[in-house]
Amino acid sequence: DADVTQTPRNRITKTGKRIMLECSQTKGHDRMYWYRQDPGLGLRLIYYSFDVKDINKGEISDGYSVSRQAQAKFSLSLESAIPNQTALYFCATSPTGAYNEQFFGPGTRLTVL
Amino acid sequence: AQSVTQLDSQVPVFEEAPVELRCNYSSSVSVYLFWYVQYPNQGLQLLLKYLSGSTLVKGINGFEAEFNKSQTSFHLRKPSVHISDTAEYFCAVRKEDSNYQLIWGAGTKLIIKP
Repeated sequence: DADVTQTPRNRITKTGKRIMLECSQTKGHDRMYWYRQDPGLGLRLIYYSFDVKDINKGEISDGYSVSRQAQAKFSLSLESAIPNQTALYFCATSPTGAYNEQFFGPGTRLTVL
Repeated sequence: AQSVTQLDSQVPVFEEAPVELRCNYSSSVSVYLFWYVQYPNQGLQLLLKYLSGSTLVKGINGFEAEFNKSQTSFHLRKPSVHISDTAEYFCAVRKEDSNYQLIWGAGTKLIIKP
């Protein structure tokens, strides 16, 4: 079984709809991250969380919100989706420690029409 | 502001040929550098990382990278590529005022020609 899972894998929605992307991990890591990937732009950090009570904005948090329901679950919401939020979204985890690698889920491809 | 530049958006290479994927970074302090690989329809996984010590770093799948402080580069190399190396490769550097955030390059697609 995958260590970091994301649901759904693909989603098409309409402008103005509320969307939730979910991430679960079985690695036991405290730290979790949400990124978006756009062609030619690499990955950009949306939100990150060091534990259930610690949630922080990344570089592009506008238009997004998150919820850390448990150590293993971290959800990303788009309150009112817009077309420029069409992208590939990744969840990642890492253990506590300065320079440990991040482990990525398979991604969710979101299309906003 | 810190940045990571991957000079080539795509690199086509014949199977069994050598390849170099270029990465340059900007940083004024000690750097921690990473290469990740993204295979088609998958998430990213770590290829290798440089934290300190030897400037030549070996990673998985026969890849290696060399840290060059004077040229602020961290180029990725493989002496002989296989069709299974077809993927997008991302270079990243730890953000200077953070111990967990990474700054990512735009990625380089490695295209293996048979």
